[in-house]
Amino acid sequence: GENVEQHPSTLSVQEGDSAVIKCTYSDSASNYFPWYKQELGKRPQLIIDIRSNVGEKKDQRIAVTLNKTAKHFSLHITETQPEDSAVYFCAAREGYSTLTFGKGTMLLVSP
Amino acid sequence: DTGVSQDPRHKITKRGQNVTFRCDPISEHNRLYWYRQTLGQGPEFLTYFQNEAQLEKSRLLSDRFSAERPKGSFSTLEIQRTEQGDSAMYLCASSSATGNYEQYFGPGTRLTVT
Repeated sequence: GENVEQHPSTLSVQEGDSAVIKCTYSDSASNYFPWYKQELGKRPQLIIDIRSNVGEKKDQRIAVTLNKTAKHFSLHITETQPEDSAVYFCAAREGYSTLTFGKGTMLLVSP
Repeated sequence: DTGVSQDPRHKITKRGQNVTFRCDPISEHNRLYWYRQTLGQGPEFLTYFQNEAQLEKSRLLSDRFSAERPKGSFSTLEIQRTEQGDSAMYLCASSSATGNYEQYFGPGTRLTVT
């Protein structure tokens, strides 16, 4: 089955800096890669996703890049703000079945 | 609130007891998923339904776990003879069967087995 590795497990940045979280996946058939943000005690929230026929997608301060050959994808957050502090999860899916999640990255943005 | 809802939000039970959780998906979504999340981990897939049909079950799902979605709307997840290792957050998500099948999560039910 699919295996998703996520790095780093924790990331501390100063407000205004950029943050990058990286994930690798094992199943070359995976074709959909969402990112979720989970604040403490809250539900995971979908923040951005990308399909395998696209190399990059942006939404305001966040962007996701995908390298199918290397089987890795990354989340980029620019101009970080304290409210970006949360745990971020990447996931991968083959076809329209179920998601396999990484173990998460705790992002701490200090004012 | 038109999002995914779950009930109860918290459940404390003694080892050996049975528990049942409910999930109400977003109304127009025909797919419903159950995940389990433990501290410091990402959600782990348990099972999913399309309408009332249970299409896939994870190998994580022991015989003590059963899920139903009898009318293709809400779903229940039952755990029989609970064990301390069952303590976790049980998350439900729903999606439509169009587009990217984006999954939207409920707030979860936190189960503590004492």
